[in-house]
Amino acid sequence: QQPVQSPQAVILREGEDAVINCSSSKALYSVHWYRQKHGEAPVFLMILLKGGEQKGHDKISASFNEKKQQSSLYLTASQLSYSGTYFCGTEGADDYKLSFGAGTTVTVRA
Amino acid sequence: DSGVTQTPKHLITATGQRVTLRCSPRSGDLSVYWYQQSLDQGLQFLIQYYNGEERAKGNILERFSAQQFPDLHSELNLSSLELGDSALYFCASSVDGSYEQYFGPGTRLTVT
Repeated sequence: QQPVQSPQAVILREGEDAVINCSSSKALYSVHWYRQKHGEAPVFLMILLKGGEQKGHDKISASFNEKKQQSSLYLTASQLSYSGTYFCGTEGADDYKLSFGAGTTVTVRA
Repeated sequence: DSGVTQTPKHLITATGQRVTLRCSPRSGDLSVYWYQQSLDQGLQFLIQYYNGEERAKGNILERFSAQQFPDLHSELNLSSLELGDSALYFCASSVDGSYEQYFGPGTRLTVT
């Protein structure tokens, strides 16, 4: 089953923060986050394995609550380069399939 | 540049035809994944191969098939093409499952 992402879109000014949520109805083994800019391929941001760890990449961090089967991506002090569509991909605890959410389009304006 | 190559970059063909998309993974990566991305369907997982063997199957139609060769490159075969098959097809590779995936630039397929 495809994970559900929210919000669908968000518009930020440079320096503002945002949170993107990803939830699944099935038990998860891992959550992946990717960013795709218009006309380009998705680019890996981070992967979180079950265990509730939190990871960060520059000012982008994420958390994974395996009990709630949810993950959140935090964009802190956003930069123009953060614009793009963010996808979460969830891997089930009993399969190897990575199912992607519909994506969250982030627009950062000067 | 992710290190994953895909050919061709663009493909225009007619309904009912058959096409083959090719993917070369990053050096050292044993897993290859195929995805379909269309405007109304988002990024859909099609199939995964690991070291020549099929490992996982997603929403892949029976008209589509794939294989991974001994040199680890992979091909996705699409047959009896329909207008709805028009999409961007991405190949991605990783060391193994549950590791980060590196996406190729994609092949844009247009079925007329």
